[in-house]
Amino acid sequence: QKEVEQDPGPLSVPEGAIVSLNCTYSNSAFQYFMWYRQYSRKGPELLMYTYSSGNKEDGRFTAQVDKSSKYISLFIRDSQPSDSATYLCAILTDSWGKFQFGAGTQVVVTP
Amino acid sequence: NAGVTQTPKFQVLKTGQSMTLQCAQDMNHEYMSWYRQDPGMGLRLIHYSVGAGITDQGEVPNGYNVSRSTTEDFPLRLLSAAPSQTSVYFCASSYGGGSLNTEAFFGQGTRLTVV
Repeated sequence: QKEVEQDPGPLSVPEGAIVSLNCTYSNSAFQYFMWYRQYSRKGPELLMYTYSSGNKEDGRFTAQVDKSSKYISLFIRDSQPSDSATYLCAILTDSWGKFQFGAGTQVVVTP
Repeated sequence: NAGVTQTPKFQVLKTGQSMTLQCAQDMNHEYMSWYRQDPGMGLRLIHYSVGAGITDQGEVPNGYNVSRSTTEDFPLRLLSAAPSQTSVYFCASSYGGGSLNTEAFFGQGTRLTVV
């Protein structure tokens, strides 16, 4: 069983809609949770990270962690065609920088 | 600002051939890693290194070798290519060094096809 589970999608939404992405994880000891964005034929880039439980907001993006449910979410408000990408959740599994990634969800925002 | 540089970007190999994927970073990062990305599987860790001279296996190490002689370089060797190794390979680096860090910097990837 993978430590991080993520629905691969694809998820298609109209421009302006709210995009909701989520992952579940298995180990309650994990504390750092990240979301990476990957455009087609590019390497992933860090979008946001959160520590422990709670919310973090950055412009149109909000990341949430619910440690009681072992559930992490990313919301994209007022989605734009430029948000079309694959979004990968990731968890830091040791202090040296070892990450466990979800499968990634492909998001398509249509004009 | 080069960041993490991978070469080549594309490669076609015949079954049984060997090759080395190159990865170099100019950020003085201690931690480097290799992932493969396959449809529906996400990024899977092949090998990683916490510093020069120190490497360890990840989730899917079979068929791959690594070495880390310098902080900057972390090449990945395919010993005898198999069609199952057709994938996109990403090299990544992060600060490491025992401090908590939350960002891995990725290269642009190498698309490998084994026929």
